[in-house]
Amino acid sequence: AQSVTQPDIHITVSEGASLELRCNYSYGATPYLFWYVQSPGQGLQLLLKYFSGDTLVQGIKGFEAEFKRSQSSFNLRKPSVHWSDAAEYFCAVVLITSNTGKLIFGQGTTLQVKP
Amino acid sequence: GAVVSQHPSRVICKSGTSVKIECRSLDFQATTMFWYRQFPKQSLMLMATSNEGSKATYEQGVEKDKFLINHASLTLSTLTVTSAHPEDSSFYICSARMAGALYNEQFFGPGTRLTVL
Repeated sequence: AQSVTQPDIHITVSEGASLELRCNYSYGATPYLFWYVQSPGQGLQLLLKYFSGDTLVQGIKGFEAEFKRSQSSFNLRKPSVHWSDAAEYFCAVVLITSNTGKLIFGQGTTLQVKP
Repeated sequence: GAVVSQHPSRVICKSGTSVKIECRSLDFQATTMFWYRQFPKQSLMLMATSNEGSKATYEQGVEKDKFLINHASLTLSTLTVTSAHPEDSSFYICSARMAGALYNEQFFGPGTRLTVL
């Protein structure tokens, strides 16, 4: 079945430490890939996206993500986490061939940042 | 650019009443809008997809008579929760896909917190 998996439900890192949030997808073809961040009680903010080309994409707030076709992964990284990065992070995909443009979301990863 | 607004941001209503939530694309035309529901500590669940001028397509398990969706213009979609009950309390988020969008990118509204007493 088509799915998006974020294996880590909850991650805690110290401020200043590096971060990697995992995302794997299960589709027959490469979809379009997105990472969103959600602060409590807020909507979703797009961090970055991958459509094609360079597999390492840069986003806002110092985030980057690398698409690895062989692993069906699109992991999100940040070299040095700030306390304000504490939030919920969602990986999402949409099929390139989709007429509806439906986004399929992962379960989300809650990031907690220790001082 | 690509801003989506929702109104109201919070609403509290009594059980049995109906509540309307508006989703607007402020600076672009949206041929398709999506409505999601999110429970605490959970991911977004797609409720329905609405295309301007046509009936919404509901996901399996979503009651179309309970959650009425109207997409009357290229910048406005509304979700009406009819005869609301406490179990309808949730965070509702809309998104919009820009007309002519190449990559199916969606832009999200800030969400509406519905509490049914």
